[in-house]
Amino acid sequence: DGGITQSPKYLFRKEGQNVTLSCEQNLNHDAMYWYRQDPGQGLRLIYYSQIVNDFQKGDIAEGYSVSREKKESFPLTVTSAQKNPTAFYLCASSPSRGRLETQYFGPGTRLLVL
Amino acid sequence: DAKTTQPPSMDCAEGRAANLPCNHSTISGNEYVYWYRQIHSQGPQYIIHGLKNNETNEMASLIITEDRKSSTLILPHATLRDTAVYYCIVKNTDKLIFGTGTRLQVFP
Repeated sequence: DGGITQSPKYLFRKEGQNVTLSCEQNLNHDAMYWYRQDPGQGLRLIYYSQIVNDFQKGDIAEGYSVSREKKESFPLTVTSAQKNPTAFYLCASSPSRGRLETQYFGPGTRLLVL
Repeated sequence: DAKTTQPPSMDCAEGRAANLPCNHSTISGNEYVYWYRQIHSQGPQYIIHGLKNNETNEMASLIITEDRKSSTLILPHATLRDTAVYYCIVKNTDKLIFGTGTRLQVFP
């Protein structure tokens, strides 16, 4: 089945710890995105990538980092600099970057700080 | 991207049509109207999009007013599984800007 997978479903982080969220897609999409969702709120864009080895900051990139070494993978690291990391994290992909392209989402990872 | 306004919540009886309104009075000529929905604790699901013509697919219909300042998403026969938060988004770049959406509750 083609789709987007995110792991783990739940992730716990201790104070001062970096954690990495996985996002994999087998849709052969060029563009990938990371969003953050807080309770009762809409989604906010963290980072996006339109091609391998290229990525750009979104609206709330501080405290996060990404890499795009492979087309199918776009991991997100939540660093200790992110002071309020508890949220629902969603990864998405689209065939290419562009206003006509539809984004498809993974099931999400819920991050909790201990 | 233009901002959108949606009612925070709506109810609909199972089997009836659900009509979800969206106001986007500042939309510009090259901005598309997209609809997504999000069932609790899941990733958003794409529903439909359009520019100025009405659109229909297997999930829903999208009616856009002639002046493009508002639109309505229609679920023709709502089921309990359609209970979700529905997001109306206007888009002219690759970015999706989500608001807080409309929480649709379908009841038996």
